[in-house]
Amino acid sequence: DTAVSQTPKYLVTQMGNDKSIKCEQNLGHDTMYWYKQDSKKFLKIMFSYNNKELIINETVPNRFSPKSPDKAHLNLHINSLELGDSAVYFCASSQTGTGRGETQYFGPGTRLLVL
Amino acid sequence: KQEVTQIPAALSVPEGENLVLNCSFTDSAIYNLQWFRQDPGKGLTSLLLIQSSQREQTSGRLNASLDKSSGRSTLYIAASQPGDSATYLCAGEDFNKFYFGSGTKLNVKP
Repeated sequence: DTAVSQTPKYLVTQMGNDKSIKCEQNLGHDTMYWYKQDSKKFLKIMFSYNNKELIINETVPNRFSPKSPDKAHLNLHINSLELGDSAVYFCASSQTGTGRGETQYFGPGTRLLVL
Repeated sequence: KQEVTQIPAALSVPEGENLVLNCSFTDSAIYNLQWFRQDPGKGLTSLLLIQSSQREQTSGRLNASLDKSSGRSTLYIAASQPGDSATYLCAGEDFNKFYFGSGTKLNVKP
């Protein structure tokens, strides 16, 4: 069984559209994350939620809005998509997210292409 | 702000060679360092986690070291195999925020 799953795997859309990416983890973890991997392969954290509460919010345009209906799900909604949003988005989870030194488990990524 | 650099960006070796991947970070206040493997079209798999108080970790043919004072970590792969071909990412962690390098793309030729 996949521990951290994301849908869709691929997403091709037009500029200006609104789209959502879903993430689910079945590990019973308390904390979930969204990362963006750009064309240069750098992964940067965008958000993290602990038990449905936002705890990390990096400098991300407010067109990106994470939503956590429960601690097993963290969805990412993007409004008014721009060309620069094209990237691979990874979801991850960790046991508590409140300590240090925890392993994070990553999903397979969602490849977003904005035309 | 933590910056993580990985050298080389790409590496191609014949099967059976031992190799070293390098990772450097700018802020020695890093709490721990993880090495990940990324396969094309797939997510990241954690390989080794070195906590702040540790200097190295070993798993099978992999050995990772951490020298906080010099801001360096290395991943040593012994007797490389074609199945080791992937991109290897190091990430420094502080309070659950990971700072990733851009990775080293490894190709092990049969």
